[in-house]
Amino acid sequence: QQQVKQSPQSLIVQKGGISIINCAYENTAFDYFPWYQQFPGKGPALLIAIRPDVSEKKEGRFTISFNKSAKQFSLHIMDSQPGDSATYFCAASTAGGGNKLTFGTGTQLKVEL
Amino acid sequence: GAGVSQTPSNKVTEKGKYVELRCDPISGHTALYWYRQSLGQGPEFLIYFQGTGAADDSGLPNDRFFAVRPEGSVSTLKIQRTERGDSAVYLCASSLSGTGGTEAFFGQGTRLTVV
Repeated sequence: QQQVKQSPQSLIVQKGGISIINCAYENTAFDYFPWYQQFPGKGPALLIAIRPDVSEKKEGRFTISFNKSAKQFSLHIMDSQPGDSATYFCAASTAGGGNKLTFGTGTQLKVEL
Repeated sequence: GAGVSQTPSNKVTEKGKYVELRCDPISGHTALYWYRQSLGQGPEFLIYFQGTGAADDSGLPNDRFFAVRPEGSVSTLKIQRTERGDSAVYLCASSLSGTGGTEAFFGQGTRLTVV
């Protein structure tokens, strides 16, 4: 019940295109959904996060869409750039869980020129 | 420091040996977390400290793994009788508090290889 499922495993997008990564969860107690970006040899870094009281959050080129009834959320990267090439992880945590994160399996994004 | 610092960056050890991995969290962060990341996978939770005490150690895989945070700052993850399956990147993260939704800042990790 703690699992967060992420797809696709890998993604190739042309420069300027839209990258879309999807996640689904089972535990309805999850109430915080961050996305992390990880470059090779580095630790994950917070990109953007959402709570279930809103259906969408946008920060620059990055947007999270959240569907509470379907228990799904997605990351959209607009105008994708080669510098966005990295591994992206969705995650989730519960209010009473001590900020412990349950991560998806990751999506390796490559943005080609 | 400016960020979460982990040492060593890389550690190669022989099967059966004991290892210690160190984490220096961001100053003032009361919550500290250890995660383990296997190749091609997302980080998996191991243990969470609030101050000096382990508030949640439900992710520790077995009793060979142990972690301490004696003064509420630096933490050490200890692995006894290492096995090849312990090979992974061990990530440490800290946050200002353990309240859900507080941003967690990760270190760059320690890559442990058991040969």
